[in-house]
Amino acid sequence: SSELTQDPAVSVALGQTVRITCQGDSLRIYYASWYQQKPGQAPVLVIYGKNNRPSGIPDRFSGSRSGNTATLTMTGAQAEDEADYYCNSRDFSGNHRVFGGGTKLTVL
Amino acid sequence: QVQLQESGPGLVKPSETLSLTCTVSAGSVTSPPYYWTWIRQPPGKGLEWIGHLSYSGSRTYNPSLKSRVTISVDTSKNQFSLHLTSVTAADTAVYYCARDEVSSSYTNWFAPWGQGTLVTVSS
Repeated sequence: SSELTQDPAVSVALGQTVRITCQGDSLRIYYASWYQQKPGQAPVLVIYGKNNRPSGIPDRFSGSRSGNTATLTMTGAQAEDEADYYCNSRDFSGNHRVFGGGTKLTVL
Repeated sequence: QVQLQESGPGLVKPSETLSLTCTVSAGSVTSPPYYWTWIRQPPGKGLEWIGHLSYSGSRTYNPSLKSRVTISVDTSKNQFSLHLTSVTAADTAVYYCARDEVSSSYTNWFAPWGQGTLVTVSS
């Protein structure tokens, strides 16, 4: 399958750890990248590759992969982390890109 | 710092062709290892990859849109463009251009993104 599946919504208490997952068979081969999108704004890359953060992304963001599941972890979630999060990777051919459906993160 | 900026009509009539241009500054559309990408997001919905143009000029499209999509390039202006034919209301979306960096056979990521432009399909 070339699809990536995410939970539609996740909530976390302020300061706690939250994990957002992305499942898909192609993730056994290709790494996922993760994007944060706040209302009315363009998505922003937060994690790519094995576990890499672009400049300016806080170190509370991390990424991992196990089997067909990629995980975005926020250790000590902050109010400003409330946003939609999307994973992206390739399909099995490696030629096409595919997005997960997105996860709405609420920080309580 | 590479920047991308979308431009084009905000309103397109049904059955017509949607055309948008992305201008790339502080970077070249012919530089490896980059793929120049179009992504869209219908109001209130998720992101959809439309397709990309590689630094070498090859094009790959989302199979679900392939029959209607063309991505072209103007290297003299450092721009790439999206053309989507026979549009319907379902094509109403914010359209983003982005740079896809392909660092290996197993890793790629989109950064930076343009700010996005809303295109509404309506008569």
